[in-house]
Amino acid sequence: AQTVTQSQPEMSVQEAETVTLSCTYDTSENNYYLFWYKQPPSRQMILVIRQEAYKQQNATENRFSVNFQKAAKSFSLKISDSQLGDTAMYFCAFMKWGGATNKLIFGTGTLLAVQP
Amino acid sequence: NAGVTQTPKFQVLKTGQSMTLQCAQDMNHNSMYWYRQDPGMGLRLIYYSASEGTTDKGEVPNGYNVSRLNKREFSLRLESAAPSQTSVYFCASSEWGQGSGYGYTFGSGTRLTVV
Repeated sequence: AQTVTQSQPEMSVQEAETVTLSCTYDTSENNYYLFWYKQPPSRQMILVIRQEAYKQQNATENRFSVNFQKAAKSFSLKISDSQLGDTAMYFCAFMKWGGATNKLIFGTGTLLAVQP
Repeated sequence: NAGVTQTPKFQVLKTGQSMTLQCAQDMNHNSMYWYRQDPGMGLRLIYYSASEGTTDKGEVPNGYNVSRLNKREFSLRLESAAPSQTSVYFCASSEWGQGSGYGYTFGSGTRLTVV
């Protein structure tokens, strides 16, 4: 069975600075997807970034980028130029590739506070 | 707007009462899911439906039942609510195969309190 671990329950960063959120996972699969979701106080789940395991290049979306280390089973999220609107709970998630039952497995989350 | 619609957004139940959480999606997705979110535990899968007419248990199915009414709708029922079911519930949908790699579309959640 796959597991996802986020070892940082809470983090804080000053506005305009850079912060990195950690995520490790355990799987015997070779092909899979990894995601970071953001959950602001509104409770809505928002997809931040995704990574396909067969791609060596790290995904980037504007100020958000990942450091994907497949051998180490590590998938960290870097937020550059942090903004107050980045304050949220962040969840790392894993999904096996293909098939009809594409269950997302979530970590326990990291609560990020961006300080003015 | 296209997406996943959940109702209600908030609900308070007394222990032993029953209720159904409704979920509908208009993206023509095949798969639908119910998760619960509890502090310090992330989101855990309750039940899912890979396609219309099929449902399967997830990680925490005890105390719940589901119905995939049609391709659009997937409801979650609590037959006899317990305080341990106090949680935030999310419905989500996704597509099959490689399209599933784009992740889920989530509803806005239902905050349920059982007293």
